[in-house]
Amino acid sequence: GQNIDQPTEMTATEGAIVQINCTYQTSGFNGLFWYQQHAGEAPTFLSYNVLDGLEEKGRFSSFLSRSKGYSYLLLKELQMKDSASYLCAVRDPGATNKLIFGTGTLLAVQP
Amino acid sequence: DAGVIQSPRHEVTEMGQEVTLRCKPISGHNSLFWYRQTMMRGLELLIYFNNNVPIDDSGMPEDRFSAKMPNASFSTLKIQPSEPRDSAVYFCASTDNRGVTLRAQYFGPGTRLTVL
Repeated sequence: GQNIDQPTEMTATEGAIVQINCTYQTSGFNGLFWYQQHAGEAPTFLSYNVLDGLEEKGRFSSFLSRSKGYSYLLLKELQMKDSASYLCAVRDPGATNKLIFGTGTLLAVQP
Repeated sequence: DAGVIQSPRHEVTEMGQEVTLRCKPISGHNSLFWYRQTMMRGLELLIYFNNNVPIDDSGMPEDRFSAKMPNASFSTLKIQPSEPRDSAVYFCASTDNRGVTLRAQYFGPGTRLTVL
């Protein structure tokens, strides 16, 4: 089976850097995605990793270590609008299109 | 370009009634997904289609739920009869899975269903 773990909640300060971790246990690996979801809205795609290493996209970066079953999302220069839930999702190795989502990390950015 | 379109955005109904949720995927996408999100269970995949064909419906809770995709630009999720525990936000998402490039799923705005 698949299992994805993320912290439930995190708090950070405007302008700071925050790292949101995600660990997964799957029977294989076929890609990992990060989504952002503001309250009352749909999840929006942030980034994905297939190979080990860091993928940078502006203020957001995502890191993957396949051997450790570990990923993190790094948010720099935090802004109030970054307050949202961040969902880690692993692509099911047995089905190319199926994503298994974690329960999400609710990030609160404070002034 | 238009994103994934869902209707209605909000639905309030009484227990026992039939509910039909609608989705129009992004033009050119060939995979469509129906998800349900609740506070308790998070985001769960109910069913997904490739090229209008249902591929995996293992997430469909029970026989009260059914989904169809009669053509590439339209899908429905039906609940009959509805129950209070079906209250949730239902999302539709789509992607293009042709080729070997990994692509993201893009979500619609969701339908907030309340069953009284």
